[in-house]
Order: sequence, then C-alpha cells, then structure tokens
Amino acid sequence: GAVVSQHPSRVICKSGTSVKIECRSLDFQATTMFWYRQFPKQSLMLMATSNEGSKATYEQGVEKDKFLINHASLTLSTLTVTSAHPEDSSFYICSARDYSLTLAKNIQYFGAGTRLSVL
Amino acid sequence: AQKVTQAQTEISVVEKEDVTLDCVYETRDTTYYLFWYKQPPSGELVFLIRRNSFDEQNEISGRYSWNFQKSTSSFNFTITASQVVDSAVYFCALSEASNAGNMLTFGGGTRLMVKP
Repeated sequence: GAVVSQHPSRVICKSGTSVKIECRSLDFQATTMFWYRQFPKQSLMLMATSNEGSKATYEQGVEKDKFLINHASLTLSTLTVTSAHPEDSSFYICSARDYSLTLAKNIQYFGAGTRLSVL
Repeated sequence: AQKVTQAQTEISVVEKEDVTLDCVYETRDTTYYLFWYKQPPSGELVFLIRRNSFDEQNEISGRYSWNFQKSTSSFNFTITASQVVDSAVYFCALSEASNAGNMLTFGGGTRLMVKP
C-alpha cells in the first residue's frame, strides 16, 4: 500500500514551453500533497504544499505564477512549470500523506520523481 | 526553527561492514516526528522509519537499527553487514506537531557507497 505515482519520469523540453507533472496517490486518499525540488547532490527543498480543493501554499522564494499547482481531487495533484527556462532544469519530486491513517502516523510517501531538462 | 544536520556527506564501506549514519536535529516543539528515507540512484524516496518524540525505544528491522536519544537530539541509523544494494543517499527528516501542514525538514543527506 501507500504508492505514489509520478509522471513523467523524465522530460526534455525547449525553453519557453510549459511542462505538466502529475502526482497520484494510487491506493489512498491524500488531502495534502507536497512538491519538492532537488538539485544534484543536494537535499530536497520544499516548494509548496498542495491542499485538495484550495490554493497551494508556496514556500518563500518560489514563484507561484511560475510553478502552478492544482489539487483537484483526493488522488491527484499537478505541477505545471510555465515558460520553462534552463534554470528550471532540476529533479522534481512529490509526496502525499495518507489521511485515512491517524494523524500520529504522519508519513509522507514519495513519487519516483521527474527529471526536467530545459534546452 | 527546526533543523536537521547530517554531518557525514559521504561514507564508503566495504561489503559486510557495519555503518552508522548520524542525524542531529533541533526543534522547540515537545512533540515531533523523526524519519529516515532512502534515495537509491533511481531517485525515488523510500520510507524507512518514523519515530515520535515520546518513543525513545530503539528499533531493529532486519539489518537496520535506529538509536533515538533525546538527550543528545540524535536519531542515528545503523546498517549491519552492509550490502552493495544499500548504496544510496539516506535522508533524515523532522516534522513538528505544531506545524499544521506537517511539513518535513530534511537533512543534507549522507551518500553511502558500499563496495563489493
């Protein structure tokens, strides 16, 4: 159980295009999902917290118009990198928390990540 | 503010050696949760363990064991008889109960290389 699917795993795009990344909880409902960015050989940086049915909460320094997040259902959150540029190239990874468990569990399960390369 | 420090950036061992990954945390909350995740070369983060601040019992799961000591704010992870498949980056993380979003703060990670 507790499987999170992230798609695509890798995307290469031209500068100026938009890229959508999907994060799905396959066997549980996730009212909250998280989006992280990871640079090579570095730790994960939280970009935003995505809440089902409401606006995402962005961390300081993250442009909400650049990184659009939609959490339209209890099993799907999407991150759209708009007008991507080479500096947006990175590894993006999502996680989801299973609210069917007690809050004491509080475990985030992660997707496999998306490697974005902007040419 | 919460903070997690993994002082060892890279560790290299030979197969079958035991290895301990250190994790030191800072928090003002009395209720918090500590985690370890494994990130193999493929990239996904694999959940290994969650420990709450009220449970200081050490835990063993196969070749893995964890030592939680509140007195030193540490949550160290030991792999016994390491194997090549243990090669990965390991992250320690902290979540404070007072944080409504239950966000995770990650340490910098420790890259473990197990050589045959």
